[in-house]
Amino acid sequence: SQTIHQWPATLVQPVGSPLSLECTVEGTSNPNLYWYRQAAGRGLQLLFYSVGIGQISSEVPQNLSASRPQDRQFILSSKKLLLSDSGFYLCAWSRQAEQYFGPGTRLTVT
Amino acid sequence: GNSVTQMEGPVTLSEEAFLTINCTYTATGYPSLFWYVQYPGEGLQLLLKATKADDKGSNKGFEATYRKETTSFHLEKGSVQVSDSAVYFCALKSGNNRKLIWGLGTSLAVNP
Repeated sequence: SQTIHQWPATLVQPVGSPLSLECTVEGTSNPNLYWYRQAAGRGLQLLFYSVGIGQISSEVPQNLSASRPQDRQFILSSKKLLLSDSGFYLCAWSRQAEQYFGPGTRLTVT
Repeated sequence: GNSVTQMEGPVTLSEEAFLTINCTYTATGYPSLFWYVQYPGEGLQLLLKATKADDKGSNKGFEATYRKETTSFHLEKGSVQVSDSAVYFCALKSGNNRKLIWGLGTSLAVNP
């Protein structure tokens, strides 16, 4: 069966510090991968998605970036965090229609 | 463009009450429709889905029927439990689009 991992689970970072969040998927190959952000515990905002190694589509211009160095690894990064980057970050994968989500990373920028 | 509209919450019910969360959509063609559930502090879980008109998705006592004529996919449960307290999201996928279109979510609180 397929599983998706995200780490860390929680993170507190000062403004201006760098960020790296990692997501890995097991039990499938060549998945589509997605990064979402959820503010205020409600709506989902799609940040990036990837259909293959090195292929990244950005949905929202901001100070975040994503990379896919391996087939089942998806990384979300920032060089300098802003207060507005605080939120709950979710990684998801799909092969066909439905998406499957990881447990999320709670990021607080102070 | 494609869109999903959910009823606004929060919805507050007593245990064993009947639940309906409305979801309507706008899409070209014949989208696939989904309900996801998010428990506090967790990621989203796929609750149920339907891929064509008149399909009924069901799971854990929840049901939703794909109604093409009313472009709706309302979520129902006959008797809710305290453990059903969560945020529920309706979503659609249209054609070969790799992205899901999401509703804003409906928060449900079930009191004992």
